Amino acid sequence: GIQVEQSPPDLILQEGANSTLRCNFSDSVNNLQWFHQNPWGQLINLFYIPSGTKQNGRLSATTVATERYSLLYISSSQTTDSGVYFCAVPPTSGSRLTFGEGTQLTVNP
Amino acid sequence: NAGVTQTPKFQVLKTGQSMTLQCAQDMNHEYMSWYRQDPGMGLRLIHYSVGAGITDQGEVPNGYNVSRSTTEDFPLRLLSAAPSQTSVYFCASSSTGVGSARAFFGQGTRLTVV
Repeated sequence: GIQVEQSPPDLILQEGANSTLRCNFSDSVNNLQWFHQNPWGQLINLFYIPSGTKQNGRLSATTVATERYSLLYISSSQTTDSGVYFCAVPPTSGSRLTFGEGTQLTVNP
Repeated sequence: NAGVTQTPKFQVLKTGQSMTLQCAQDMNHEYMSWYRQDPGMGLRLIHYSVGAGITDQGEVPNGYNVSRSTTEDFPLRLLSAAPSQTSVYFCASSSTGVGSARAFFGQGTRLTVV
């Protein structure tokens, strides 16, 4: 099945810093989704991004489908950005999302 | 707009007991699914449904049953709980299949089987 790899696995930042999270996938996909799991465990859908770039406030995401990767940018990070960031893709013929292992982000005040 | 609602949030079961995890969505989504999240294993699909009356198995279906009698509800039944089913369970929905639509998740149910 499709493989999804995220890097880095852990990231510690000071409040106000910028960061880039990467997601590589091993096969062609119809879309890619980024999620934030907050410290209370809730999974929030950040982006649905099959290709191109989308922005939502301090967060933006870029997917280059032909090269099989996506990037999540977090600018001017805040402590509330802490948590685990997952990317997930569906295989072209499948009905489930395959999740990466996640990037654990800690933003210190 | 409540989105995807799961109950209960926490549950402790004894080995061999049965229970039902409830999931409801108010977005009129056709596609609903159940995942479990375990340390080091990520999120894995248990069962999914593409509409009322239609369900199918995911990656790890053993020990679980589902049914979909309405568009809104998709309960997950544990038939005879085992310690290996200790996990965090998430219900998700999307307007169509996850291949073409954004997935929204409930807040999760943390289940411990002793």
